[in-house]
Amino acid sequence: EVQLVESGGGLVQPGGSLRLSCAASGFTFSSYAMSWVRQAPGEGLEWVSAISGSGTGTYYADSVKGRFTISRDNSKNTLYLQMNSLRAEDTAVYYCAKHNTGTSSGVGGYWGQGTLVTVSS
Amino acid sequence: AIQMTQSPSSLSASVGDRVTITCRASQVIRNDLGWYQQKPGKAPKLLIYAASSLQSGVPSRFSGSGSGTDFTLTISSLQPEDFATYYCLQDYNYPRTFGQGTKVEIK
Repeated sequence: EVQLVESGGGLVQPGGSLRLSCAASGFTFSSYAMSWVRQAPGEGLEWVSAISGSGTGTYYADSVKGRFTISRDNSKNTLYLQMNSLRAEDTAVYYCAKHNTGTSSGVGGYWGQGTLVTVSS
Repeated sequence: AIQMTQSPSSLSASVGDRVTITCRASQVIRNDLGWYQQKPGKAPKLLIYAASSLQSGVPSRFSGSGSGTDFTLTISSLQPEDFATYYCLQDYNYPRTFGQGTKVEIK
């Protein structure tokens, strides 16, 4: 059974940093691209970043480019999102999601339960 | 970035009604589109992939159509558990973009 479990969310001050993790199980992690998607309180869904199975290909939304870094450790079956220079508008629930195959494929049907990041002083 | 314009933003319907939600892309995206259902406090659930393919386990009252720039999600007979917010997502290129969402409420 595919499982994705996010962690690392919490309260952080503006300008601060946070690293999110997504522990994956139930599939061959290194064979699949992964994405992060976020949802601000009361708002719609926003795609944030994606990474290829090998980790060599990465993509970002303009709103986070230069501040967020996506990475993965295939030996640990874990996806990461390093978030720096955080702003109030980064406050959201962050979901990790498994693609159907590589980065050109659809985001797919497996998502974690989400982790809440709150940026506030 | 490709813009996904979803309409309506909300609708009120009764159990048994036929419901249609549309998504228009700002450029051709072939059939690289998915439809998601989200209930409060829950992760999105994939309903339709590749514009018209029903995800495993999803009831057959859900269907998708379209190609190019115009896409439709149809619920043939609305059920109580279908009251939720629906989103389209283009999988054609990066950055991936969602529609603004359609909230389906009880009339």
